[in-house]
Amino acid sequence: EIVLTQSPGTLSLSPGERATLSCRASQSVSSRSLAWYQQKPGQAPRLLIYGASSRATGIPDRFSGSGSGTDFTLTISRLEPEDFAGYYCQQYDKSLWTFGQGTKVEIK
Amino acid sequence: EVQLVESGGGLVQPGGSLRLSCAASGLTFSRYWMHWVRQAPGKGLVWVSRIDSDGRSTIYADSMKGRLTISRDNAKNTLYLQMNSLRAEDTAVYYCARGGRDMGGAFDIWGQGTMVTVSS
Repeated sequence: EIVLTQSPGTLSLSPGERATLSCRASQSVSSRSLAWYQQKPGQAPRLLIYGASSRATGIPDRFSGSGSGTDFTLTISRLEPEDFAGYYCQQYDKSLWTFGQGTKVEIK
Repeated sequence: EVQLVESGGGLVQPGGSLRLSCAASGLTFSRYWMHWVRQAPGKGLVWVSRIDSDGRSTIYADSMKGRLTISRDNAKNTLYLQMNSLRAEDTAVYYCARGGRDMGGAFDIWGQGTMVTVSS
């Protein structure tokens, strides 16, 4: 089973700043099978990025994904107040899906 | 509007059983793989199970294998999760999610979740 490790656990930033979230896999992951989700308290997750770099429908272009192999990154270019939330990466390999443990982006 | 609505959660004693449902609307349900994902209070997301579009192929996470049965009724646009021999550590919000087409396994639509509490 591929283990995803996200860092940092918590990111404290101010609105307007750039956020860089990391997701590292225990073995190589197909870029096609790496996704990112946003989750706000009390809400279901929302798909942001699939295929490592493709934005889902309706996702603002301040969200971008990159990476390959074992290292993937979610970047939020300028944090808006509604972006302060939890973020999870996810991968799919050999009919199994796994999530990272999450990164919380909080207001500094 | 595409929507997934879970139901069936609640309080159950250890060792008990529960069946969760996920009603789909606004989508051609029978075309999609469907998943269950759970989230313990204050914890992260954990994938639980997947069923293919016609219900013939299922797969489970090791943590709950043998205690779960995922199924679907495409005529009723409904997904199910039968959970048996429940333990305290199964306490979580259970989400159903749609496997997006041509999205490399990503889940593009999620329900609001249903809470399962296992406690005596």
